Parts: sequence; structure tokens; C-alpha cells
Amino acid sequence: NAGVTQTPKFRVLKTGQSMTLLCAQDMNHEYMYWYRQDPGMGLRLIHYSVGEGTTAKGEVPDGYNVSRLKKQNFLLGLESAAPSQTSVYFCASQPRGYSNQPQHFGDGTRLSIL
Amino acid sequence: GENVEQHPSTLSVQEGDSAVIKCTYSDSASNYFPWYKQELGKRPQLIIDIRSNVGEKKDQRIAVTLNKTAKHFSLHITETQPEDSAVYFCAASGRYSTLTFGKGTMLLVSP
Repeated sequence: NAGVTQTPKFRVLKTGQSMTLLCAQDMNHEYMYWYRQDPGMGLRLIHYSVGEGTTAKGEVPDGYNVSRLKKQNFLLGLESAAPSQTSVYFCASQPRGYSNQPQHFGDGTRLSIL
Repeated sequence: GENVEQHPSTLSVQEGDSAVIKCTYSDSASNYFPWYKQELGKRPQLIIDIRSNVGEKKDQRIAVTLNKTAKHFSLHITETQPEDSAVYFCAASGRYSTLTFGKGTMLLVSP
């Protein structure tokens, strides 16, 4: 039981390049989330999904797209990377119907945009 | 949307002292308040949480209190140890269990 797995763990991009971050969970959770963490800041919600085929915007969605084609996977895409997107990205998951249960976090992806 | 304020941003204590971190939230509909500990380069780890129908919860040296009327909640760590040194985040849960985090408190426990 791996929990929440994020790939890659590290990545360096040039401005304008695109990439996709993958989040996979093996706990059969319905809810999945993408957060970013910048120095001196708490985690901020980018996008989230309450089920396969559904996604919604969070607090800081601009410049990102997401897809949830399979229940276990939640993908975060950067179409044209910008230096302001340099951050640590965390994925989390949670079972539906348990609004007072803790979210399970992945180990994070450290992304640098040059 | 929800707004969570956290204070202080840094906290230095001597080993054995108590530490208190305070948070306020704005959305009265928030009903779940977790606290996370994050060590450098690691994922946030849940250390304690409290639901809106409970005023206080304790787990060994850690306790959390919630005042729904005032919309604030606090983390209390007693008998601090050097291994308690980390960044602590409070959060409030909103619609679809989305979390709004405070900006964090860096706790330094000196031996």
C-alpha cells in the first residue's frame, strides 16, 4: 500500500516549456487535490477533483490545467511554464463523504522554472 | 472564500517549555480544523485535528482548542523537545473538504 505517489520528485524546466505532474493513489479515494507551497506560505489549493471525470478550480488555478480520467490518477499540467510557477507541489487525497477526515499527502514535486 | 490567519510566524522556546500557536478563520461554515507538522523537505504530517462540535482535544503532549464563536483555534505543545522543531500549519476545511492553510509557524526548541 503506497498511499499517494507523486512523479517526478524533482524537475527543472525552461520558461515556456510544458510538463505534467502525476499523482497516483491506491486507497480508492474519491477526492483528490493539488496544492502548491512557496517559501513563507502555507499550501494553496490549485485544483481539486471530487470524482473521476470532474475537476474544479481552487484558490490559485491560473496557468494550470488538470485531468482526472481515472479515479486513482490526478494530473496537473503546466502548458507554458513561468518562473512564478517555481514551487513545491503536493498532491493529496481523501475518501468522499468523510469531510472530517484527514487528507493523505504525497511527498511533493520540487519544480524549478528557469 | 475562507481566510486563515496564523500567529506567530516564528516561535523560539527552551526545551521543556510550552508553545502556543494561534489561528483565526473567517468562514463560519468551516467544520474541521487540522494541524500539520512539516520538517524541512518533507510532506506535511497531520499531528492533531478537531471538529466543530468539539471544544478541545488532547493527544499526549499536544492539545488543540476551538472557539467557534470567536472563530479561532489554537495548538498547545507542552514539555517541548528539540524534535518538536519544525514548521506547523493550521488549516480550515471548506466545501468538498478543501483546506485553507495558515502561513505557518516555525518552532525552534533549544536544548
